[in-house]
Amino acid sequence: AQSVTQPDIHITVSEGASLELRCNYSYGATPYLFWYVQSPGQGLQLLLKYFSGDTLVQGIKGFEAEFKRSQSSFNLRKPSVHWSDAAEYFCAVSSGGGNKLTFGTGTQLKVEL
Amino acid sequence: NAGVTQTPKFQVLKTGQSMTLQCAQDMNHEYMSWYRQDPGMGLRLIHYSVGAGITDQGEVPNGYNVSRSTTEDFPLRLLSAAPSQTSVYFCASSYSRDSSDTQYFGPGTRLTVL
Repeated sequence: AQSVTQPDIHITVSEGASLELRCNYSYGATPYLFWYVQSPGQGLQLLLKYFSGDTLVQGIKGFEAEFKRSQSSFNLRKPSVHWSDAAEYFCAVSSGGGNKLTFGTGTQLKVEL
Repeated sequence: NAGVTQTPKFQVLKTGQSMTLQCAQDMNHEYMSWYRQDPGMGLRLIHYSVGAGITDQGEVPNGYNVSRSTTEDFPLRLLSAAPSQTSVYFCASSYSRDSSDTQYFGPGTRLTVL
């Protein structure tokens, strides 16, 4: 069965600092990988996704993620964090045979001014 | 387009009561799904539908029923609410069942069962 691990429950960074959120997946075939962001009291918004091609994926709000098959990882990065990036971030994998997402447990990002 | 809408935003039930969480989308999406979000557990799939008249179970279907009579609507029914169903519920839709399709999420319904 597929699974997603986000090892960091909470991360605190200073505004302007770089950010990397970790995501490891377990899936037998070529994965379809997603990063979503959830602001407090809101639904989930897609940041970026990977399903084939270039392993470095650009998303919205200045985020990018790199797919590394050898490490089963899909880490999210941003060069310079803004206070408005404070939110919860979810990594997810989609199974073959249907668009069923398996989510990680999420990483709560706090941005210090 | 309103996207994916959910009603109500908040609901408090007593154990044993029934209710229906509403979900609608105006994007003519084929695929719709329901997730529940619990602290420290991420989101888990309850039920999904690949088109009108077709539904199937996800990871945590017990205690929930769904039906899909139209493309636009995908209600989630709790037949006899239990405290374990206290959660935030999200509805999502995508153009097709293809695994690469982006799913669009509604704003959620926060349900408390006393």
